Amino acid sequence: GENVEQHPSTLSVQEGDSAVIKCTYSDSASNYFPWYKQELGKRPQLIIDIRSNVGEKKDQRIAVTLNKTAKHFSLHITETQPEDSAVYFCAASNSNGANNLFFGTGTRLTVIP
Amino acid sequence: IAGITQAPTSQILAAGRRMTLRCTQDMRHNAMYWYRQDLGLGLRLIHYSNTAGTTGKGEVPDGYSVSRANTDDFPLTLASAVPSQTSVYFCASSWTGGTNEQFFGPGTRLTVL
Repeated sequence: GENVEQHPSTLSVQEGDSAVIKCTYSDSASNYFPWYKQELGKRPQLIIDIRSNVGEKKDQRIAVTLNKTAKHFSLHITETQPEDSAVYFCAASNSNGANNLFFGTGTRLTVIP
Repeated sequence: IAGITQAPTSQILAAGRRMTLRCTQDMRHNAMYWYRQDLGLGLRLIHYSNTAGTTGKGEVPDGYSVSRANTDDFPLTLASAVPSQTSVYFCASSWTGGTNEQFFGPGTRLTVL
């Protein structure tokens, strides 16, 4: 089955700096890679996703890159703000198969004002 | 109100007792999922259902059962709870194919003593 690894487990940045979270996956059939943000005590919520036919996707201060050859994808947050503080999860799935998401173990991001 | 709901919000349960966690969605999504979230382990899939009347096993199915009698409801049952099932449980739903985005419920915090 799919195995998703995520690094780092914790990340602290100064407000205004950039944050990068990296994930690797094992199954070359995976073709959908979402990122979820989970604030303390809340449910995970999708913030951005990318499909295997695209190398990069941006949405305001958030971008995701995908390297299919190396089987890794990354989340980039620029101009970080205190409200970006949360746990971020990457995930991978094969939308042509069972569509189940396999999650990384999460990164706790703290943005220091 | 459109979305996905779970009940109860939290529960303390004696080991050996039977417990059913409820999940209902009104988005007419064909697929539904149950995850458990444990510190340091991220979200792990317990069971899933791609359509009413069918279910499948995820990464950690032992000790849990599910049913999908209709599109909207996907209850998760612990037949005889054990302390290792103490966790936060999230239900999610999605379309299969298309965007694949999974929408999560608010979660159930379960403590088994």
